[in-house]
Amino acid sequence: GQQLNQSPQSMFIQEGEDVSMNCTSSSIFNTWLWYKQDPGEGPVLLIALYKAGELTSNGRLTAQFGITRKDSFLNISASIPSDVGIYFCALPSNFGNEKLTFGTGTRLTIIP
Amino acid sequence: DGGITQSPKYLFRKEGQNVTLSCEQNLNHDAMYWYRQDPGQGLRLIYYSQIVNDFQKGDIAEGYSVSREKKESFPLTVTSAQKNPTAFYLCASSTQGWGADIQYFGAGTRLSVL
Repeated sequence: GQQLNQSPQSMFIQEGEDVSMNCTSSSIFNTWLWYKQDPGEGPVLLIALYKAGELTSNGRLTAQFGITRKDSFLNISASIPSDVGIYFCALPSNFGNEKLTFGTGTRLTIIP
Repeated sequence: DGGITQSPKYLFRKEGQNVTLSCEQNLNHDAMYWYRQDPGQGLRLIYYSQIVNDFQKGDIAEGYSVSREKKESFPLTVTSAQKNPTAFYLCASSTQGWGADIQYFGAGTRLSVL
């Protein structure tokens, strides 16, 4: 299967700071998805990207689909306590089936 | 309220016991999925089903079984053959299960071994 590398693994930041995380894949894909998982809950979709170069915002979140179609980044501006959780990138299979491959996640902790 | 309901939230398994995790959705989605999540790892696909009475193995199906008798329900059985069952189990569903179909997740079941 494809390799999907997500970094950093964890981040410790102060409230109000901006956050940036990224994912890279070994293959080209047509869609990038970003999910957030709150502690003890299931992941919730944040942003879906469908076109190379696409930049999409959702409130304080901004995500971009890399031009090479092998990478994506997610930025969070002016972090707040409820941003705590694990952020996953995910890629659907290129073969038109249902399989999603998830990154290993970026765990965000906000230091008081 | 439309959504995916997983139960129970917490489950304990004794040695040699089979346990079944419930997943129900009222989103009228055709496709349903089961994932396993271990600490520090991403989600790994156990089984998926694109239509009633049909299901396929995912990447880590050994020691698990599923059924899809109804569109709304996709229960997962963790059998005694699964030697390391302690994990967080997540159920998801999507409209059709093809292409860039968005998957929506339940709140999860945490399984521990006594």
